[in-house]
Amino acid sequence: DTAVSQTPKYLVTQMGNDKSIKCEQNLGHDTMYWYKQDSKKFLKIMFSYNNKELIINETVPNRFSPKSPDKAHLNLHINSLELGDSAVYFCASSHSDNSGYTFGSGTRLTVV
Amino acid sequence: GESVGLHLPTLSVQEGDNSIINCAYSNSASDYFIWYKQESGKGPQFIIDIRSNMDKRQGQRVTVLLNKTVKHLSLQIAATQPGDSAVYFCAVNSGGGADGLTFGKGTHLIIQP
Repeated sequence: DTAVSQTPKYLVTQMGNDKSIKCEQNLGHDTMYWYKQDSKKFLKIMFSYNNKELIINETVPNRFSPKSPDKAHLNLHINSLELGDSAVYFCASSHSDNSGYTFGSGTRLTVV
Repeated sequence: GESVGLHLPTLSVQEGDNSIINCAYSNSASDYFIWYKQESGKGPQFIIDIRSNMDKRQGQRVTVLLNKTVKHLSLQIAATQPGDSAVYFCAVNSGGGADGLTFGKGTHLIIQP
């Protein structure tokens, strides 16, 4: 069983479209995150959710909106996609003390 | 805020030698540190972690050393194997709880036969 699973693995879309990336964890963690990895492999946190509440929201455009229907899911919705949004997006989860921090396998988003 | 840096973007070692990857952090209040391995096309994979109340922790073929005085962290891999070839990241948590991790820029470990 995959601990943190995200779909799709690859996403190619045109500028201006709206898209969603889904994430699910079966580890019983109470905190979930979205990270962005740029072309230089630099990983930066975008959002975290703890018990369905947004804990931090880094300086990402408001075109990005995380949605958590329950503790095991944290989806990422992106409106009006831009070329600069092309990157690999990773979902992760952990316990609230950061133990067990686990990443998904990533979604490679390409905006054309 | 926290900033995390790695000393070398690329490290090339002979198979069977020991590898040492270094990391520096800026926030003296940082209390939790993790090393990740990322292979091409995959997500970061947990290797080993250490909390600020320790200065050394060992796993299978890996050791993490923490020097809080100089805010330095290192990952030692013993008897490096071809399967160790990957990008290695250190990640630091300063805020506690669900604040997420600040990542360094990564060191690409290349294994020479």
